[in-house]
Amino acid sequence: TQLLEQSPQFLSIQEGENLTVYCNSSSVFSSLQWYRQEPGEGPVLLVTVVTGGEVKKLKRLTFQFGDARKDSSLHITAAQTGDTGLYLCAGGVNTGTASKLTFGTGTRLQVTL
Amino acid sequence: GAVVSQHPSWVICKSGTSVKIECRSLDFQATTMFWYRQFPKQSLMLMATSNEGSKATYEQGVEKDKFLINHASLTLSTLTVTSAHPEDSSFYICSARDRRVGTEAFFGQGTRLTVV
Repeated sequence: TQLLEQSPQFLSIQEGENLTVYCNSSSVFSSLQWYRQEPGEGPVLLVTVVTGGEVKKLKRLTFQFGDARKDSSLHITAAQTGDTGLYLCAGGVNTGTASKLTFGTGTRLQVTL
Repeated sequence: GAVVSQHPSWVICKSGTSVKIECRSLDFQATTMFWYRQFPKQSLMLMATSNEGSKATYEQGVEKDKFLINHASLTLSTLTVTSAHPEDSSFYICSARDRRVGTEAFFGQGTRLTVV
């Protein structure tokens, strides 16, 4: 069973602060995705990384895929209250015709004024 | 982006009854759909992979006779929770892959099931 551990599990910060969320596994993934989920809704895809060492930026969010494709990080600069939500990483594994996603344990972020 | 719609958004049913949840890809064809379950404040756990025109592949520990999955067309998959019990109460989420865009999966808005 592939496990993706996220840390921290919960983070409460003030607006303007920076933060980093980590996603670690002992397994290699063909792709790594980050999602944000609001209460009562499905996850929304933020980014997909597929190459070891890849770095992608999405406005104030920076995503990095580890060289060995086993881990990833999400860095948020100058957090805003709108960033509040559950952040999930998900590792993709190609299984024939389908690519299964294994979700991480989740990081709940709360940004306050 | 691609749109995946789930219906209903929430449902309350009596213990012992069956409930059907629909997952539709609105603007693309999805040969593969996935069903997840999410308990409060926890992550998503994959229940099964639904392939159009064939039997679903269930994850270890998921009862296939209790969670019936049908993927009869390229845009629709259904999950039926049979003989529901209070412990089946959960947030059920589907996702669908558009093979044209690689490994990205698009998620429905989820269905909150409460069994009383």
